[in-house]
Amino acid sequence: SQQGEEDPQALSIQEGENATMNCSYKTSINNLQWYRQNSGRGLVHLILIRSNEREKHSGRLRVTLDTSKKSSSLLITASRAADTASYFCATEFYNQGGKLIFGQGTELSVKP
Amino acid sequence: GAVVSQHPSRVICKSGTSVKIECRSLDFQATTMFWYRQFPKQSLMLMATSNEGSKATYEQGVEKDKFLINHASLTLSTLTVTSAHPEDSSFYICSARDPRAGGPETQYFGPGTRLLVL
Repeated sequence: SQQGEEDPQALSIQEGENATMNCSYKTSINNLQWYRQNSGRGLVHLILIRSNEREKHSGRLRVTLDTSKKSSSLLITASRAADTASYFCATEFYNQGGKLIFGQGTELSVKP
Repeated sequence: GAVVSQHPSRVICKSGTSVKIECRSLDFQATTMFWYRQFPKQSLMLMATSNEGSKATYEQGVEKDKFLINHASLTLSTLTVTSAHPEDSSFYICSARDPRAGGPETQYFGPGTRLLVL
């Protein structure tokens, strides 16, 4: 299966702490994207990082990509209770028509 | 940003009936749309790629005769679950690529359709 793996599967932290989620994949990618999903709702696009990029920032989010290790991480700094959600990485592979393969997700719980 | 809508947002049906789900790109033309399925507490699994004016491309293990996809226009793709059974109960999500942006194309996801088959 091309599906990526994420760890941890679940993460519980206190407000103000940082949260780090990791994603690994198996074959060469065009880009890697991170999404957020609140319970039972649609997806929200967070960040897209291209295969030739190593790090990207957006507000309190920091994404890194290590193509040699085929892995990416999402760091949420100074977490808030409102960050509680499931977070998924999704990879777009070369010559696959743009389809995304999602990782298994990390369920983040931020306690006030 | 670009908006993708889905209709209906929720549907309950009896076993054996067919259900049609619509996915629309509201402010851009999408030559390609994707359909995903998500079971509770699980990730999204790609079902098929929907291409305007041509047949959909199904992922391995997805029955094309059960999940009919029609992409009749550049702003509309439909997924019909034929002869639905309780095991088809799931959250169905579509996405569309906006080809206007240069470089990697972000996909925009619809809000999803929750199907419950009794």
